Amino acid sequence: SYELTQPLSVSVALGQTARITCGGNNIGSKNVHWYQQKPGQAPVLVIYRDSNRPSGIPERFSGSNSGNTATLTISRAQAGDEADYYCQVWDSSTARVFGGGTKLTVL
Amino acid sequence: EVQLVESGGGLVQPGRSLRLSCAASGFTFDDYAMHWVRQAPGKGLEWVSGISWNSGSIGYADSVKGRFTISRDNAKNSLYLQMNSLRAEDTALYYCAKDILPSYSSGLGAFDIWGQGTMVTVSS
Repeated sequence: SYELTQPLSVSVALGQTARITCGGNNIGSKNVHWYQQKPGQAPVLVIYRDSNRPSGIPERFSGSNSGNTATLTISRAQAGDEADYYCQVWDSSTARVFGGGTKLTVL
Repeated sequence: EVQLVESGGGLVQPGRSLRLSCAASGFTFDDYAMHWVRQAPGKGLEWVSGISWNSGSIGYADSVKGRFTISRDNAKNSLYLQMNSLRAEDTALYYCAKDILPSYSSGLGAFDIWGQGTMVTVSS
């Protein structure tokens, strides 16, 4: 089965840039999607197909994917960006797979 | 307003059954694949099952295969999850999620609309 590896936590200073990684075997050949989940709320799609932003998602959110690592980048981090972030791909053996999630703390 | 509303959760004993429902509104339901995603208390997201727009293609996570059955009624704009032989490890918040594509099994697909979830607790 295909596995995605995310750091448990990432911290960023207010106004700085946060980078959250998602590791997987040759993940660069897959389409990666990213979700934001705030406490007590349903997840929200913030990036789809590696680097595309859905309507309503700020330009501060961007994504990239190459080799064995996909990255979600949050520029000019705000207090409201504090949340859990999950990467997700489709794999022929496991169908839809989520990473374990990363807790983003804005200091 | 685009909306998904789940219902049917509750407390159930191990080995028993439960049927979840998801009512969709605000979009053309039969244009898109639909999914169930669950989240155990304090844990991450786990994809449970997906169904294509016309029910022609269905998939399940290994953890629920043979016990859960997904279905949809496009005339009623509704998605269902029949859960049999429930186990303690099935305890979770179950989300209904809309795909951006008609096929549930495309890597290009993502979950763009989520409901608020319905809680399932399996305990004696």
